[in-house]
Amino acid sequence: GAGVSQSPSNKVTEKGKDVELRCDPISGHTALYWYRQSLGQGLEFLIYFQGNSAPDKSGLPSDRFSAERTGGSVSTLTIQRTQQEDSAVYLCASSLIRGAGDTQYFGPGTRLTVL
Amino acid sequence: GESVGLHLPTLSVQEGDNSIINCAYSNSASDYFIWYKQESGKGPQFIIDIRSNMDKRQGQRVTVLLNKTVKHLSLQIAATQPGDSAVYFCAEREEGAGNMLTFGGGTRLMVKP
Repeated sequence: GAGVSQSPSNKVTEKGKDVELRCDPISGHTALYWYRQSLGQGLEFLIYFQGNSAPDKSGLPSDRFSAERTGGSVSTLTIQRTQQEDSAVYLCASSLIRGAGDTQYFGPGTRLTVL
Repeated sequence: GESVGLHLPTLSVQEGDNSIINCAYSNSASDYFIWYKQESGKGPQFIIDIRSNMDKRQGQRVTVLLNKTVKHLSLQIAATQPGDSAVYFCAEREEGAGNMLTFGGGTRLMVKP
């Protein structure tokens, strides 16, 4: 079946504008994760959804960042009043179930550039 | 692992040689480890994983070694091919402390033909 898809693939915005990034997980996967990858660096955890449970927001860097997951499937990451330091690749991953040994499959990412 | 900023460690190998990529992890309570491969412009791709009750696991052309005593993980790639050129990340997870992965800073593998 199809893998994790993300849109848009690239987003250029002006400082101060809001942006929405979309993630379509693999069908049937109950867990969904957002990560951020700055240039030349590893991945930084942002937020995690599991089923109908309250999301783990412990990685969100500021209150300008929020995410929703509707119907247990598609997720949207919203960044309000974007800043230049928000420029990065935003990666979404999904996994079948929560727990050790459960592989996370990544989408291709959305490259966000804040001018 | 710690991020190394803009300058990723780079391993350059000749096609056909074996490659060894190393990773030092930080959390002694981590019990699950994964290696990901990331090609330019793509998301990380799962390569191989290992639980903490094992010290070695083999896949197709890849072997992961885990040394819990010194908190060290390595990825061995046999007969390295040009298609193996990518950035490789190790990731760790502590069960029961959330399900997020903690990633190392990555190593760039360059395969010379």
